[in-house]
Amino acid sequence: GAVVSQHPSWVICKSGTSVKIECRSLDFQATTMFWYRQFPKQSLMLMATSNEGSKATYEQGVEKDKFLINHASLTLSTLTVTSAHPEDSSFYICSAPWGREEDEQFFGPGTRLTVL
Amino acid sequence: QQQVKQSPQSLIVQKGGISIINCAYENTAFDYFPWYQQFPGKGPALLIAIRPDVSEKKEGRFTISFNKSAKQFSLHIMDSQPGDSATYFCAAGNSGGYQKVTFGIGTKLQVIP
Repeated sequence: GAVVSQHPSWVICKSGTSVKIECRSLDFQATTMFWYRQFPKQSLMLMATSNEGSKATYEQGVEKDKFLINHASLTLSTLTVTSAHPEDSSFYICSAPWGREEDEQFFGPGTRLTVL
Repeated sequence: QQQVKQSPQSLIVQKGGISIINCAYENTAFDYFPWYQQFPGKGPALLIAIRPDVSEKKEGRFTISFNKSAKQFSLHIMDSQPGDSATYFCAAGNSGGYQKVTFGIGTKLQVIP
């Protein structure tokens, strides 16, 4: 199966700072990646669709200037949380579709962000 | 608008029993219905998926039943084991590559010995 990694696995930062989270497809190329956030004991909420070589597509209600997405290569997408605040504390997960029909999404292990 | 409704939100089953989780969707354009398993602190992993051209799909102890007319699908876990204790998410989306899926709220399953 396909493997997706995320780095870091957890990060603690001070309010007002920016944090970058990396999502990598290790053994396949991903022209599209998805970014989700998950609050404790809640479902995954899609934040944006990351497209290699073009602008990301954000879901309604997601601030594109706060959650910067860059998909610079076929194996790497980054999510930067700018001017983080405590309410941004969450579990951020990326996924990439792969397979015969590219329907199956392979998820990364997630990044736990805590903003103090 | 909650496009995928999942129930129950929590479930306790004895070892060896059958775990049943139900989902309903609203968008008739959906044609891809995966189930994901998530352990605490980990990303979800695909468990099994079905498309509307079949009414049932079985993989090992896991079975998806699909009712297109009722817009419902369910996950059955036969012979449930303590290792199955996890959160299960149903999802729905469109096939054909690079399509986003919408997740249900999740069901926390606990299998007790």
